[in-house]
Amino acid sequence: GQSLEQPSEVTAVEGAIVQMNCTYQTSGFYGLSWYQQHDGGAPTFLSYNALDGLEETGRFSSFLSRSDSYGYLLLQELQMKDSASYFCAVREDQNFVFGPGTRLSVLP
Amino acid sequence: EADIYQTPRYLVIGTGKKITLECSQTMGHDKMYWYQQDPGMELHLIHYSYGVNSTEKGDLSSESTVSRIRTEHFPLTLESARPSHTSQYLCASTGTVGTQYFGPGTRLTVL
Repeated sequence: GQSLEQPSEVTAVEGAIVQMNCTYQTSGFYGLSWYQQHDGGAPTFLSYNALDGLEETGRFSSFLSRSDSYGYLLLQELQMKDSASYFCAVREDQNFVFGPGTRLSVLP
Repeated sequence: EADIYQTPRYLVIGTGKKITLECSQTMGHDKMYWYQQDPGMELHLIHYSYGVNSTEKGDLSSESTVSRIRTEHFPLTLESARPSHTSQYLCASTGTVGTQYFGPGTRLTVL
């Protein structure tokens, strides 16, 4: 079967660093994506890892370990606007399987 | 900037009505997708297309159909709407490997 697991909620304060994990079990694997979704909005693409290691884009970093079927999204210098849901998604050839999402709350 | 559009943005209809949700993209992407998402929940794949005249069913495809006559257009039709169809419907297309661009969504309420 296919399954992705993410913690349901994470809370952190402004300026802090937060890590959101994703573990997956899928029939195929080509890469792991991360998306941000604010309440009432559509998901927006953050990052994609096809190979093991760390990818950095500004305050956002994403990590993948294919041998552990595990990845994480790291947000640095948290801002209030980062409060949102964060979804990991496994690319299975042409399609994507999404995790349940982690709701991040950033406190002042 | 992703150029993918959905109409209507909000729709309230009665049970049994036939409706079509529109999705268009101007990026020339071959692969397009429809997802259903309840508030605060994960996305479920309804249908997808790899190109013109190509359509496939996802995990949640019952009671709906899609067509892909033009690259830029991927409409979703519910033949007979039910209250269980109340949800948000998101259209997406894939550009660079691993990147999906989402439309703003259609919030559907079936009374």
